[in-house]
Amino acid sequence: DTGVSQDPRHKITKRGQNVTFRCDPISEHNRLYWYRQTLGQGPEFLTYFQNEAQLEKSRLLSDRFSAERPKGSFSTLEIQRTEQGDSAMYLCASSSGTAGNTIYFGEGSWLTVV
Amino acid sequence: GDSVTQMEGPVTLSEEAFLTINCTYTATGYPSLFWYVQYPGEGLQLLLKATKADDKGSNKGFEATYRKETTSFHLEKGSVQVSDSAVYFCALNGVTNAGKSTFGDGTTLTVKP
Repeated sequence: DTGVSQDPRHKITKRGQNVTFRCDPISEHNRLYWYRQTLGQGPEFLTYFQNEAQLEKSRLLSDRFSAERPKGSFSTLEIQRTEQGDSAMYLCASSSGTAGNTIYFGEGSWLTVV
Repeated sequence: GDSVTQMEGPVTLSEEAFLTINCTYTATGYPSLFWYVQYPGEGLQLLLKATKADDKGSNKGFEATYRKETTSFHLEKGSVQVSDSAVYFCALNGVTNAGKSTFGDGTTLTVKP
């Protein structure tokens, strides 16, 4: 399978704990995106990388959120001091950045903060 | 900024009925337009796309035509199946957005046998 993969698929954590999600994009894609989706809503953009450079961050990404893509391949999204409002699906996606720029999504990582 | 508006759901149809899900957008220039499908508990799968005006995207019996004059990209299927039950998202990639997509809120389709 050469699609976008995310790990873990589900995470339940207590409020105040830190969590980290990993994303492995399609291998030849140089752009990597993180989105957040809550029930009944469409995905909301959080941040994106061009290779290892983080080029844009949404205002939705508070100081408790940090994303990295150290070698321009896989990426991690860490949430510190989780809050119940962080409960959502975190979607990773990648693209080649060419014309039309189709974005391919992973299966998502469900976070439940209790 | 860019935005996407989808018809409100949920939509419930009988098997073999005709489907239309409306989508309109606001964007600068000529964005690329997409429909994604999401099955319960899963991520988004690209269904079809169109990158310029009057293009028709099609896949698995679904079609959508990029209408610049009405800023629309309505999704249609002539005969739906129970397996088409899912949430459908319209999205755009704006020319000034560095490739990131803006999504509508999704339309839930339920097809009954």
